[in-house]
Amino acid sequence: DAKTTQPPSMDCAEGRAANLPCNHSTISGNEYVYWYRQIHSQGPQYIIHGLKNNETNEMASLIITEDRKSSTLILPHATLRDTAVYYCIVRVGGGATNKLIFGTGTLLAVQP
Amino acid sequence: SAVISQKPSRDICQRGTSLTIQCQVDSQVTMMFWYRQQPGQSLTLIATANQGSEATYESGFVIDKFPISRPNLTFSTLTVSNMSPEDSSIYLCSVGGRTQETQYFGPGTRLLVL
Repeated sequence: DAKTTQPPSMDCAEGRAANLPCNHSTISGNEYVYWYRQIHSQGPQYIIHGLKNNETNEMASLIITEDRKSSTLILPHATLRDTAVYYCIVRVGGGATNKLIFGTGTLLAVQP
Repeated sequence: SAVISQKPSRDICQRGTSLTIQCQVDSQVTMMFWYRQQPGQSLTLIATANQGSEATYESGFVIDKFPISRPNLTFSTLTVSNMSPEDSSIYLCSVGGRTQETQYFGPGTRLLVL
């Protein structure tokens, strides 16, 4: 079973920041937080991942709370093309146990 | 990131037949994974395929129904056997990144069983 909880849907105005929350209260010390998104009819796209520290790349920022029980994915300037289902996943990093267990995700609708 | 292609991209099949889906990667990878996404649902892992060993299946999936081949480090196939309408789904392969910390997905194969 997925170890994360996400709201089923969110709206965001185009050009504004989209903040997608995720709860993972049972996360273990060696588990990473991953974010993927799936735009309609496409394969999931990797966005970002982190263990303890906040992370930023060209797509998004990941903010992980100090107790690691929750995190927030931030899309700084949402566009219509960011409309997708966003999945938050916890996973043991590296090695043979590489599998991803997907939950139901959050459908982000970016409004013009 | 790895470039992954799948064939066919979509197919319509009759019940009782079988379909083999191919997954090709542009670089050698250790881990390959097969997922199923039923209509309106999230992704479910079917099995993990390592080159040179038997695939490892998740609970609810069996080799007789979903045989997998992994002949080399850039290629894998998934067969959906004796299909029924309940097998209508998107089937996706994914591969581990070079550091094994990330996983990249193919575009998927859309299967409709009549």
